Amino acid sequence: SQWGEENLQALSIQEGEDVTMNCSYKTYTTVVQWYRQKSGKGPAQLILIRSNEREKRSGRLRATLDTSSQSSSLSITGTLATDTAVYFCATERSSAGNKLTFGIGTRVLVRP
Amino acid sequence: EAAVTQSPRNKVAVTGGKVTLSCNQTNNHNNMYWYRQDTGHGLRLIHYSYGAGSTEKGDIPDGYKASRPSQENFSLILELATPSQTSVYFCASGEKGYEQYFGPGTRLTVL
Repeated sequence: SQWGEENLQALSIQEGEDVTMNCSYKTYTTVVQWYRQKSGKGPAQLILIRSNEREKRSGRLRATLDTSSQSSSLSITGTLATDTAVYFCATERSSAGNKLTFGIGTRVLVRP
Repeated sequence: EAAVTQSPRNKVAVTGGKVTLSCNQTNNHNNMYWYRQDTGHGLRLIHYSYGAGSTEKGDIPDGYKASRPSQENFSLILELATPSQTSVYFCASGEKGYEQYFGPGTRLTVL
């Protein structure tokens, strides 16, 4: 699971397998976003889940949010080699300006 | 499509020199952000802006200044660059409660 000063997690899986990564956050938030960053690129949002949603799906992606334990997960089903990337969770701070606090990420390598 | 561009994409600077990183967005977003990314730290917020003429300090503002002369443009300024500012810098734009759109990044090396 990612957060704070933990080391960047790394997962290596075979193409076609499913993968789940976890995120714990420290302060109250109404929005959790998951971003993917491919090598040499900027992060790009994958999915956004709000505090009134327990689960959200988008294609092969599924995000969950448990506000009581302040944790979220992102699952990818039927991974492809192109899913190889670093995945970040980000929480929106309650103050104005849409400031996000990013976790340190989970590196996923999908072997073809 | 939402677009954030950054220039330069790569920069080598000398210690004590002045560096300006530029960002342009065509999303018409009010909010813009500057982050740096270092191994083991993820993305850390340096400065952000709510709109033209405004700049706010983020989590790690020391050694950096920002300028937002227009809705579209947001610059990050290192007046006296130091080797500890060697990093990859990302600009982003977005609105509260919605995603942030990131640029491709600028790799800065301070020798």
